[in-house]
Amino acid sequence: GAVVSQHPSWVICKSGTSVKIECRSLDFQATTMFWYRQFPKQSLMLMATSNEGSKATYEQGVEKDKFLINHASLTLSTLTVTSAHPEDSSFYICSARDRRAGTGNYGYTFGSGTRLTVV
Amino acid sequence: AQSVSQHNHHVILSEAASLELGCNYSYGGTVNLFWYVQYPGQHLQLLLKYFSGDPLVKGIKGFEAEFIKSKFSFNLRKPSVQWSDTAEYFCAVMSGTGGFKTIFGAGTRLFVKA
Repeated sequence: GAVVSQHPSWVICKSGTSVKIECRSLDFQATTMFWYRQFPKQSLMLMATSNEGSKATYEQGVEKDKFLINHASLTLSTLTVTSAHPEDSSFYICSARDRRAGTGNYGYTFGSGTRLTVV
Repeated sequence: AQSVSQHNHHVILSEAASLELGCNYSYGGTVNLFWYVQYPGQHLQLLLKYFSGDPLVKGIKGFEAEFIKSKFSFNLRKPSVQWSDTAEYFCAVMSGTGGFKTIFGAGTRLFVKA
């Protein structure tokens, strides 16, 4: 089945530094990738939607200059948390939509997540 | 805007008990509905999904869900739970006209006592 590889799975960084998270679709082309954030004991909150070759669409309240998303190819999307602060510590998860999915039957595959801790 | 409501935040059951987790959504158009499970320390996995057709959907591990359009509901059920079903369960809704974004409910933590 479709696999999304997310890397790193766990990262600790100092306050003020930047962290890049990668999501790769291993055996399919992902036209669309979604980035979610999950705080402890809360649900997944959609941060942004990225389509290959175009600018990401951010949800209300998400700072696009802080969370930089690049979707340069059909198999790779990156999320960069710039100038990270302790309140950015969270679990970040990507989800990719399989390009092969036809209308009305959308396949989504989730990455394994990245736990970011900012100290 | 779409929203998803899961009624129970925490559920504790004994093994062999029956399970029903409520999920209601608010969206007037055509929707695709999902239930995901997240086992401790693991990533999200798809349990089942509804796109069209039979409103009673069967998923993996003995789970099923029923789409009741008039009630905007998609409740998850399992006749007899096992200790290994201890996990967090998320209901999710995606509309075809909303940029295909998937909106998640707050989740229900299920603990099954052995």
